[in-house]
Amino acid sequence: IAGITQAPTSQILAAGRRMTLRCTQDMRHNAMYWYRQDLGLGLRLIHYSNTAGTTGKGEVPDGYSVSRANTDDFPLTLASAVPSQTSVYFCASSGDQGGEQFFGPGTRLTVL
Amino acid sequence: KQEVTQIPAALSVPEGENLVLNCSFTDSAIYNLQWFRQDPGKGLTSLLLIQSSQREQTSGRLNASLDKSSGRSTLYIAASQPGDSATYLCAVQSGANNLFFGTGTRLTVIP
Repeated sequence: IAGITQAPTSQILAAGRRMTLRCTQDMRHNAMYWYRQDLGLGLRLIHYSNTAGTTGKGEVPDGYSVSRANTDDFPLTLASAVPSQTSVYFCASSGDQGGEQFFGPGTRLTVL
Repeated sequence: KQEVTQIPAALSVPEGENLVLNCSFTDSAIYNLQWFRQDPGKGLTSLLLIQSSQREQTSGRLNASLDKSSGRSTLYIAASQPGDSATYLCAVQSGANNLFFGTGTRLTVIP
């Protein structure tokens, strides 16, 4: 079934630990995105990639890094997790920048 | 920065009613506007996308309108069903990579 997969589904992490959230899409979309969703704040863009090999910063990029080695995968890394990064993280993709976005099921991350 | 507001935050209606969800945005220079549905603990499902040059889009019982000049969009749901209960999110694309979300309207359809 075509779509976006994210792993893990949920994770509890000690502060200071490194963590990589995985995202894979099989729709051959050029653009991919990472958002975080926090109660009362809505979804906010962390990083994006318009095509393999390029990345850009969104609204809340601090403490996060991404890479886009190929079309399908767009991992999000927290180098040293802090409690304020406790959130639900969604990966999304679109055919091209500015197109309709499709979302994965999310990763619920708790940093203690 | 684009600000997106959705009113009301929560809405309860009896089954069978027609209803309207509202979305307003502060900057009319947009690429498109997208409506999503989110079930509790789940991801977002795209419902409708309206390009900036369009006035409305329809899909089944859903109709979304866009008035760029006034910074408003509405999502009309006809003949509501209990299965429509979810949170509905409005998102505005300002700039090629910036999708700005409202905080959503939580809809409950009472059987």
